[in-house]
Formats: sequence, C-alpha cells, structure tokens
Amino acid sequence: GQQLNQSPQSMFIQEGEDVSMNCTSSSIFNTWLWYKQDPGEGPVLLIALYKAGELTSNGRLTAQFGITRKDSFLNISASIPSDVGIYFCAGRKLVTSGSRLTFGEGTQLTVNP
Amino acid sequence: EPEVTQTPSHQVTQMGQEVILRCVPISNHLYFYWYRQILGQKVEFLVSFYNNEISEKSEIFDDQFSVERPDGSNFTLKIRSTKLEDSAMYFCASRDQAGGVGASYEQYFGPGTRLTVT
Repeated sequence: GQQLNQSPQSMFIQEGEDVSMNCTSSSIFNTWLWYKQDPGEGPVLLIALYKAGELTSNGRLTAQFGITRKDSFLNISASIPSDVGIYFCAGRKLVTSGSRLTFGEGTQLTVNP
Repeated sequence: EPEVTQTPSHQVTQMGQEVILRCVPISNHLYFYWYRQILGQKVEFLVSFYNNEISEKSEIFDDQFSVERPDGSNFTLKIRSTKLEDSAMYFCASRDQAGGVGASYEQYFGPGTRLTVT
C-alpha cells in the first residue's frame, strides 16, 4: 500500500529553537497536509498544500510541497512549550476529492523550557 | 467554531462483543470518515462515506465492520465481534465538499473514542 516515511521519529529541542521535519513517499501525492495531535486528542490541521513547489505559512509554521510531488517538509520557528505534540504529514492522491488520507508515522516533538 | 464530536470517549468491551462508536460530524459536511490509530502508531484510514453509501474502504475494513448514517446528524461505526487487535483510538472525520480547495475544505477530526478490548 501507499506509505509515507516521516522523519525524524522524535525531536528534543530547547525553547526558541527552530525545528524541521519531513515526509517522503515513493509515489506521487497531489495534496499534502500537516496535522498536529495532542495527547488524547484528534489530529488538528495546521497547513494544507495543493501545488508542487508551494510554500505556505501559518504563523511560525512553514510547509512546502516538494517539486517531485513525493515529499513535503514542515518548519517550526522559535519553538515554544505549547508546540509539544505529535506532528503528522498526510497525503491525498487528488487535490479535490473525498478520498482517503495516508498518514506518516509522526514526529514526536518535545520542547524544553 | 463547529467541531466533530464522538461518543463515548472510552469504551471497554469483552472480546466477541459488538460495539457501536458514534460520531456527530460538522453539520453541513458531506463526506464522513473513520480512521483508527493503534497506540503509538500512525493514523490509518478505514472507510469513507458519501451520499449514504461507502465510497472507499481499506483492507482493514472487513466484514466485521459496518457504517451507518441512521439520521441526519449521526454517523456510526459498528464492530460486530470485537477482537483484541481492534483495541485502538477510533477517529471520525468529516469534510465539507470534494470540490473545494483550501484548509476549510479539508477533513476535520473528532477527539476520538478509545476502544479497549479485553
């Protein structure tokens, strides 16, 4: 089946540091999404990307849709303690479609104050 | 802000029992989904539902699973005879319409139901 490889698996950083995580796939996805999950909660959408090469920001978060359509990265600048959580990338084969999301394995982020 | 709600938050059941997990999607949404997340693992797609029928399902969604939209607001997932390996968080999600582009048209997830099969 379709697989998204997400790295790193976990990160331990100091408050104020920048962090970067990425997702790669062996197949093309035409929509890339980044979600954050807090303990005991459902995933919350952070950023949605629809065009190859697209760079989109949401506050301190920036994500890019890779040119090959097989990868995406998420950057968080000037991290704060509330950034703690699990970050998931997700891909969808079509841009406008009700079809399934395929999720990466997640990046567990810990921010030390 | 409208949100997806799920009940119960935690369900404990014995192996072989039937369970029904309930979801109330966002009111004007048209597409409904169930995903599951085994503890410590990634979120996995189970099934999508549109226009009162299943539009897509994964290999996980076998004959033991069924979905239903019994009325205009609820969306349920039934597991007929639970197995130990069904223990997981089950997330419901909904989406406004397939033709829109932008974050507001994407899938919004509920808080999940933790299913524990003993």
